[in-house]
Amino acid sequence: NFMLTQPHSVSESPGKTVTISCTRTSGSIASNYVQWYQQRPGASPTTVIYEDNRRPSGVPDRFSGSIDSSSNSASLTISGLKTEDEADYYCQSYDSNTWVFGGGSKLTVL
Amino acid sequence: EVQLVESGGGLVQPGGSLRLSCAASGITVGSNYMTWVRQAPGKGLEWVSTIYSDSSTYYPDSVKDRFTISRDDSKNSLFLQMNSLRGEDTAVYYCARDTGVEFDYWGQGTLVTVSS
Repeated sequence: NFMLTQPHSVSESPGKTVTISCTRTSGSIASNYVQWYQQRPGASPTTVIYEDNRRPSGVPDRFSGSIDSSSNSASLTISGLKTEDEADYYCQSYDSNTWVFGGGSKLTVL
Repeated sequence: EVQLVESGGGLVQPGGSLRLSCAASGITVGSNYMTWVRQAPGKGLEWVSTIYSDSSTYYPDSVKDRFTISRDDSKNSLFLQMNSLRGEDTAVYYCARDTGVEFDYWGQGTLVTVSS
């Protein structure tokens, strides 16, 4: 089975752009869709990106997703950072009846 | 509006058992893939179990042979029977609908604490 590796923490200033990476350790990142979840303290996770780069209704277009086969990784980019974006972000994918989450990245907007 | 409401968490001794429930409204549990995900205190999300609409079930090695996912279509509810509990099973347990790609609806979670 594979793992998804994320940076433990990222930080950036309001109004700036931040990118969180998610590297698949084995198998191709492109072989199964990648999702991104936002989790604020004390709350349940919510989807911000699904199927690599699609946004659920209600998620602002400041959030975007992509995959890069050359680095075997997915990325979540948040532009025009707001203090309300401060949260934990988890990538997730699937293969052979196994669902895998990345370890999560704590985004600090300071 | 979709609602998933978990219940059944609590304090249990190591080696004990607990049965979690997830009552659904706004979706039909038996027609969907349904999943349990857990989160240990201060830690990340971990997939625990999934049941398909055809009743196929899947588990990671960490809970296989100890946990059993099931559903009751008449009650529109999902269950997780947890046996031989260990300290590392301490977590908030969420139920979620799985679209086959994404977990799009989540409950609020129920806390399971395994301790003597």
